[in-house]
Amino acid sequence: GAGVSQSPRYKVAKRGQDVALRCDPISGHVSLFWYQQALGQGPEFLTYFQNEAQLDKSGLPSDRFFAERPEGSVSTLKIQRTQQEDSAVYLCASSLDREYEQYFGPGTRLTVT
Amino acid sequence: AQSVSQHNHHVILSEAASLELGCNYSYGGTVNLFWYVQYPGQHLQLLLKYFSGDPLVKGIKGFEAEFIKSKFSFNLRKPSVQWSDTAEYFCAVIPMDSSYKLIFGSGTRLLVRP
Repeated sequence: GAGVSQSPRYKVAKRGQDVALRCDPISGHVSLFWYQQALGQGPEFLTYFQNEAQLDKSGLPSDRFFAERPEGSVSTLKIQRTQQEDSAVYLCASSLDREYEQYFGPGTRLTVT
Repeated sequence: AQSVSQHNHHVILSEAASLELGCNYSYGGTVNLFWYVQYPGQHLQLLLKYFSGDPLVKGIKGFEAEFIKSKFSFNLRKPSVQWSDTAEYFCAVIPMDSSYKLIFGSGTRLLVRP
């Protein structure tokens, strides 16, 4: 079946621009996660949704980062006024429920110039 | 702070050599443990996991890992690597008081020479 998909796969933004990154989880997966992976590092947790409810946003690095999942399916991670330090790969993962295996998407590589 | 350490950042092996990648975590409570693999151009995928029971866990493609609680370690092993094992390997934990938040190590890049 279809896995987790993310778009765009690559995004170049000028410093100060806003960006929106999309995640399509596996159908029927209740839980959705966003991670940030800086170059040479492992992924770091950003935020977690259970259906449409954002239950944990403790990993969001600043108030410029905002995530939503309004209908409990597709999720969007928005970054306002991008900075160079936002350059990273943003990974989305979904699972049947929060204690089950997380399936990862291919990621969106964001480069801020 | 909770953390996961992978001491080998780059490993180069010849085919048929044995592999052991180290992973240590700093968390005193109960954890679930994972190894993920990312092949070139592909997404992260689960290699194996440990929740409870036998501390020697077998995963896909001949990989295994051993949980040693006293050493806070979960090392990955494979007796004989293949060129197709070239990938980046990530150790990760979920502390049970979180139950969902994966904490990853920084990864180990493995290059297997044919």
